[in-house]
Amino acid sequence: EAGVVQSPRYKIIEKKQPVAFWCNPISGHNTLYWYRQNLGQGPELLIRYENEEAVDDSQLPKDRFSAERLKGVDSTLKIQPAELGDSAVYLCASSLGSFGELFFGEGSRLTVL
Amino acid sequence: AQTVTQSQPEMSVQEAETVTLSCTYDTSESDYYLFWYKQPPSRQMILVIRQEAYKQQNATENRFSVNFQKAAKSFSLKISDSQLGDAAMYFCAYRSALANAGKSTFGDGTTLTVKP
Repeated sequence: EAGVVQSPRYKIIEKKQPVAFWCNPISGHNTLYWYRQNLGQGPELLIRYENEEAVDDSQLPKDRFSAERLKGVDSTLKIQPAELGDSAVYLCASSLGSFGELFFGEGSRLTVL
Repeated sequence: AQTVTQSQPEMSVQEAETVTLSCTYDTSESDYYLFWYKQPPSRQMILVIRQEAYKQQNATENRFSVNFQKAAKSFSLKISDSQLGDAAMYFCAYRSALANAGKSTFGDGTTLTVKP
């Protein structure tokens, strides 16, 4: 069974540029999460989806971050414009229901210059 | 809001020895879940072990076991017979059991080094 797939693995951009990350969850997992992990810290939730509905986006900086999960499967996280402080690893995870085990992707490492 | 604290940024253990990683959390809820996740260098995070707060018995998974002290809000991970492949960053996480509260709160992690 394929795991959670994320792309790109690495992205280097200059500040003020846009960037997008893509996530394909495990087949059948209706719950999808985007986390941000700063260097030396634990992941922090940005947004959680139940199917195509964003049920928790309280930590998403909505002035520059946006996310979508069309058809309740794949998801895209976008940052526009990127700032230096956005440099981090962006982790996607999925689970079978809100209380199921989290399965993480390998993450997308963003460097903003 | 719930918080999770891992007070040991780094730990090391000799191969085949036992090591315990500490975690404390703060919550006003009575029903919740606790987890330990392992994140090897440049690899994805995976679940090591899970504990339901309503269960008094400590969870075990092969060489991994927890010491869950609900009153003290403590949740430590014991790794027995440490192996080189156990070297990783370990994260403690909390999740409420309330409906629509599927968010997991993570500690800042403990980096475990295993010496041959």
